[in-house]
Amino acid sequence: DQQVKQNSPSLSVQEGRISILNCDYTNSMFDYFLWYKKYPAEGPTFLISISSIKDKNEDGRFTVFLNKSAKHLSLHIVPSQPGDSAVYFCAASDTGGFKTIFGAGTRLFVKA
Amino acid sequence: DVKVTQSSRYLVKRTGEKVFLECVQDMDHENMFWYRQDPGLGLRLIYFSYDVKMKEKGDIPEGYSVSREKKERFSLILESASTNQTSMYLCASSWGGPNTGELFFGEGSRLTVL
Repeated sequence: DQQVKQNSPSLSVQEGRISILNCDYTNSMFDYFLWYKKYPAEGPTFLISISSIKDKNEDGRFTVFLNKSAKHLSLHIVPSQPGDSAVYFCAASDTGGFKTIFGAGTRLFVKA
Repeated sequence: DVKVTQSSRYLVKRTGEKVFLECVQDMDHENMFWYRQDPGLGLRLIYFSYDVKMKEKGDIPEGYSVSREKKERFSLILESASTNQTSMYLCASSWGGPNTGELFFGEGSRLTVL
């Protein structure tokens, strides 16, 4: 029973264009939603988060949108850069992070 | 900068061996976690600890145990390694109390069990 789903295993985007990564969840009790970025042979690093009471959070080139009625969130990267090529994990968490559930990840390729 | 250090980046062990994976964090975080990452399955929580000597099972604790004798150190133990425990193991830490759930990860330990 996957509570957090990333249905696209991979995504390819041209440099300078927008990358949109999607995530769906089933449990309405999550307090926070987070995105992590992972390069090969490295641990995931935190990218951006959003509280369940918000619908948008922006940090530089990265924006996360939360649609609670659809139980859907998305990460927008604009403009995309080759250095953004990585695996992106969507995660949902309670307050405190004790029960963080991760999606399977989406591998983003940004072509120069 | 927060640093989470995992002692071994790559290990190769034989079936039945006892395996220790060590993790140390330097930010005085209360919470520490062990995850495993497998292709197509994302990260799955094995165990976590919210204080010294305290531990809680995660989603896939079978075949694993943990130890937290000091606040900065969290160890994962495979009592008798099996081939289905071949995986990438990730240690993480976070602040205690209410927070956004942000986790700080180590670089990972890739374990191969033959």
